[in-house]
Amino acid sequence: DAGVTQSPTHLIKTRGQHVTLRCSPISGHKSVSWYQQVLGQGPQFIFQYYEKEERGRGNFPDRFSARQFPNYSSELNVNALLLGDSALYLCASSLRHTYGYTFGSGTRLTVV
Amino acid sequence: AQRVTQPEKLLSVFKGAPVELKCNYSYSGSPELFWYVQYSRQRLQLLLRHISRESIKGFTADLNKGETSFHLKKPFAQEEDSAMYYCALGGSDYGGSQGNLIFGKGTKLSVKP
Repeated sequence: DAGVTQSPTHLIKTRGQHVTLRCSPISGHKSVSWYQQVLGQGPQFIFQYYEKEERGRGNFPDRFSARQFPNYSSELNVNALLLGDSALYLCASSLRHTYGYTFGSGTRLTVV
Repeated sequence: AQRVTQPEKLLSVFKGAPVELKCNYSYSGSPELFWYVQYSRQRLQLLLRHISRESIKGFTADLNKGETSFHLKKPFAQEEDSAMYYCALGGSDYGGSQGNLIFGKGTKLSVKP
């Protein structure tokens, strides 16, 4: 099993641009969550999707959006990028919440 | 409000010494608590779940609802335990899958030879 895979691994964007980050969950996992991790902080919850429906949204502006596809992969979109969006974006999947989540290696986004 | 507090940014111990990484939480419902570990240059990994009451790599953690704590303990630290440790709180108001974890800021454990 490849685990949770995320692409790209690194990305540099300019302020005002938009970005799409991709995540493939572990096979059989229907729940996918997105987190933002800023240097020196723990991951902060952005979105959760379960069975292609949004089940949770963290305290992030509407510039952040996400979706889950029929194969349970997911995309995180961020519009009108700000310098403060520079962070590691983590995707995690789970078979069942009480089992805990398996995290991907993340996408390092740098906004210049 | 849901919150996780890890009071120590850095914990430094010698090999063979006991380790306790503190975690306190604030949550009005029935909490689900986890410890995640991140070794150098590796991805975040699940270490323990309170619901399973297991011991992994010699680490244990007991949920104390009275003190709202979920401290991580190991009687004899090893150098390979050096890593970043995050306590995470699960649970939400949603009736279905509850996927939003609230993480503490993390404690960096350094085990010296």
